[in-house]
Amino acid sequence: GQSLEQPSEVTAVEGAIVQINCTYQTSGFYGLSWYQQHDGGAPTFLSYNALDGLEETGRFSSFLSRSDSYGYLLLQELQMKDSASYFCATHNRDDKIIFGKGTRLHILP
Amino acid sequence: KAGVTQTPRYLIKTRGQQVTLSCSPISGHRSVSWYQQTPGQGLQFLFEYFSETQRNKGNFPGRFSGRQFSNSRSEMNVSTLELGDSALYLCASSPLTGRNEKLFFGSGTQLSVL
Repeated sequence: GQSLEQPSEVTAVEGAIVQINCTYQTSGFYGLSWYQQHDGGAPTFLSYNALDGLEETGRFSSFLSRSDSYGYLLLQELQMKDSASYFCATHNRDDKIIFGKGTRLHILP
Repeated sequence: KAGVTQTPRYLIKTRGQQVTLSCSPISGHRSVSWYQQTPGQGLQFLFEYFSETQRNKGNFPGRFSGRQFSNSRSEMNVSTLELGDSALYLCASSPLTGRNEKLFFGSGTQLSVL
């Protein structure tokens, strides 16, 4: 089957750094996207990796290792407003997008 | 630029009824895709429309259908509602079809089936 696995919850402290992992098993691989969704809100695009390595966008970075079928989202200098759910996503050979079930990030003051 | 707009925001229906949800994409975006989000199954792809044609479809029964108009606005219809159809229905738009790595989502329609 095709799936993306993420931890269901992660807890971190304000000001710290947190990493949210995503491992995937898909027929073919067409890049890994990350989205943020606050409660009651719309998912918002954060980052995309097509190739191995690190992509940096401000406090957020995303990493991909295609040989390990693994990626992660790194959030630095955590702020309370970063409390949200984070989803990784990719496409299969039929161009259908598949999402991980999401990681709920809790931030402690 | 206005974002993706979905109406209504909340909807309550009873089993057996049908429902129509509406989505207006970002101006200039021709692809609209629909998703069902539930706590148990997460975000699941329903279908994608581009230039008024359905380009792709997820694994949902035929009770779920959609269409796209010439102005790229899209509607989704669910007939013969079941309790399990209670979910947040999200639409997303993008300029092109295919493997879009970046989707722009609306805030969704929360459907409750009683």
